[in-house]
Amino acid sequence: QVQLVQSGSELKKPGASVKVSCKASGYSFTSYGLNWVRQAPGQGLEWMGWININSGIPTYAQGFTGRFVFSLDTSVTTAYLQITGLKAADTAVYYCARASTWEWSRFYFDYWGQGTLVTVSS
Amino acid sequence: SYVLTQPPSVSVAPGKTARITCGGNSIGSKSVHWYQQKPGQAPVVVICYDDDRPSGIPERFSGSNSGNTATLTISRVEAGDEADYYCQVWDTSSDHRVFGTGTKVTVL
Repeated sequence: QVQLVQSGSELKKPGASVKVSCKASGYSFTSYGLNWVRQAPGQGLEWMGWININSGIPTYAQGFTGRFVFSLDTSVTTAYLQITGLKAADTAVYYCARASTWEWSRFYFDYWGQGTLVTVSS
Repeated sequence: SYVLTQPPSVSVAPGKTARITCGGNSIGSKSVHWYQQKPGQAPVVVICYDDDRPSGIPERFSGSNSGNTATLTISRVEAGDEADYYCQVWDTSSDHRVFGTGTKVTVL
């Protein structure tokens, strides 16, 4: 069965960096794109962008450029989200979510990781 | 950027029907997807492409989309339906995915 398993919770100080992993299994990793979604405490869902698994080219949503980097290691079917220069406002649960189809205009998020809580506090 | 507006909360008695709206400019021309999120859990898609139910989703969940409003309908509501619900579309202008503001469904 399709599974996206994310790395565990992180506690970081302001200014530090964090790298969240998303290990995919149960399907052909290179056949589907992967998205990242943020959810701040008590808030809604926010699409951060996605990464094309075939090309490795990321697309970032507005507000997630500069300090946010999506990357891949296809040899271990894992996607990564790195955030640098962490701020308290980055405290959130970060989800990876698979794109249901390669059709850019039509995909929805059909499978989700369990989420990774990143807490930024001094 | 494209804005999707949902009511913050909807309350419904067990066995009744809950309707959750998602308002957006000409949303009827877009494909709308709906996600259910229970406390402490990842979201789960319950409706895709306006009115399709993914495998495993009860028939009690249905969707419609026209004009400036998309609607998720939950019939014969059960206690287990208590959750936050989000609509989502692809915004052609920004070429980005957009989520609605979210609706908390409370089963009385």
